[in-house]
Amino acid sequence: AQSVTQLDSQVPVFEEAPVELRCNYSSSVSVYLFWYVQYPNQGLQLLLKYLSGSTLVKGINGFEAEFNKSQTSFHLRKPSVHISDTAEYFCAVRPQNTGKLIFGQGTTLQVKP
Amino acid sequence: NAGVTQTPKFRILKIGQSMTLQCTQDMNHNYMYWYRQDPGMGLKLIYYSVGAGITDKGEVPNGYNVSRSTTEDFPLRLELAAPSQTSVYFCASSFGRGLNEKLFFGSGTQLSVL
Repeated sequence: AQSVTQLDSQVPVFEEAPVELRCNYSSSVSVYLFWYVQYPNQGLQLLLKYLSGSTLVKGINGFEAEFNKSQTSFHLRKPSVHISDTAEYFCAVRPQNTGKLIFGQGTTLQVKP
Repeated sequence: NAGVTQTPKFRILKIGQSMTLQCTQDMNHNYMYWYRQDPGMGLKLIYYSVGAGITDKGEVPNGYNVSRSTTEDFPLRLELAAPSQTSVYFCASSFGRGLNEKLFFGSGTQLSVL
């Protein structure tokens, strides 16, 4: 069975500083990886995804993530955050041989002025 | 284009009552999901389906049942509601493969069991 662990429940950061949100997964087969964002009082929306190919994936709003197969990680990064990036971020994984898509516990990004 | 439609938006149940959360999508997606979201716990997968007539358990299936008789509909049944089932429930759908893989979520159902 697969699992997803987001290593930080909350990440406070000052505006214009860089940020990294960490995600580790486990699976016995190859996986697809995703990051979703949930802004306050809104539904989830896709930030980016890794399906195959280049391990560095770029998403919306200046976010990027790097798939590291040896470390089973898919960390999300942004070089300079804005107040508007304050939200809950979810890492998700789906084994390539099933439809079972599961989410991590979420990381709350708090951007301070 | 309605996307994923969930009903009802809010519901209060008494312990032991039953109900069905409705979910329908008009995007011809093969994959459909039910999640529950509790504070600090992220989204937990209850059941999922990869096509009409095919369903499978997720991480937290106990106390729930599903069916998928058509591509469009994926209702979630709660039998004998318990306070532990108080949560926000989300239905989602996806093409499930390839470059278009992306979950489309319903607006959620806030359920309280008292």
